[in-house]
Amino acid sequence: QSALTQPASVSGSPGQSITISCTGTSSDVGAYNFVSWYQQHPGKAPQLMIYEVTNRPSGVPDRFSGSKSGNTASLTISGLQAEDEADYYCSSYTSSSTRVFGTGTKVTVL
Amino acid sequence: EVQLVESGGGLVQPGGSLRLSCAASGFIVSNNYMSWVRQAPGKGLEWVSVIYSGGNIYYADSVKGRFTTSRDNAKNTLYLQMNSLRGEDTAVYYCARGLYSGSATPFDYWGQGTLVTVSS
Repeated sequence: QSALTQPASVSGSPGQSITISCTGTSSDVGAYNFVSWYQQHPGKAPQLMIYEVTNRPSGVPDRFSGSKSGNTASLTISGLQAEDEADYYCSSYTSSSTRVFGTGTKVTVL
Repeated sequence: EVQLVESGGGLVQPGGSLRLSCAASGFIVSNNYMSWVRQAPGKGLEWVSVIYSGGNIYYADSVKGRFTTSRDNAKNTLYLQMNSLRGEDTAVYYCARGLYSGSATPFDYWGQGTLVTVSS
């Protein structure tokens, strides 16, 4: 199972919006609406930010939103804040009942 | 309060074995979907395994046949038995709890991780 493809880095100024893409195949991202997004600060455990493409767990700010089209899912952060600087990973359920993570994207707040 | 605490990591020689533990509190492990995820130093997340509340277990191809996931209901603990270890297994290993009971569940609670180093 190959990792989902994400851009290595994305940057933006405070208050701006950024979008991170996550490209998979018809056996994972394209097959199900079971794409999740995780935020990871250095030295910390991942935190779930989005699940089932568009759902936010309680406590996650509504500046975080998700979408999907075909084999590509996206995470958008609106009104970028300094604390959003972190690594972000997408993840998808697969047709083999396994999971696959994305390659990861480093978000930098300029 | 939900808590997950991993232990058992350390330095092991190539070909060796190690068993990781994930002690849970605040919920019942056997009633939840639980997963192991690892992260090599400076690298991205890699999914390792998942165990369903009903007992089904699935593994990543990279560990299938070498790693075994199990749980002890009395101790409310999840385990990862790792055999035939290789250098590429060097990573921080996290355990995580499923958000809901479903095969595609994402994972909402994570432990702090335990470092496994495979080196001679």
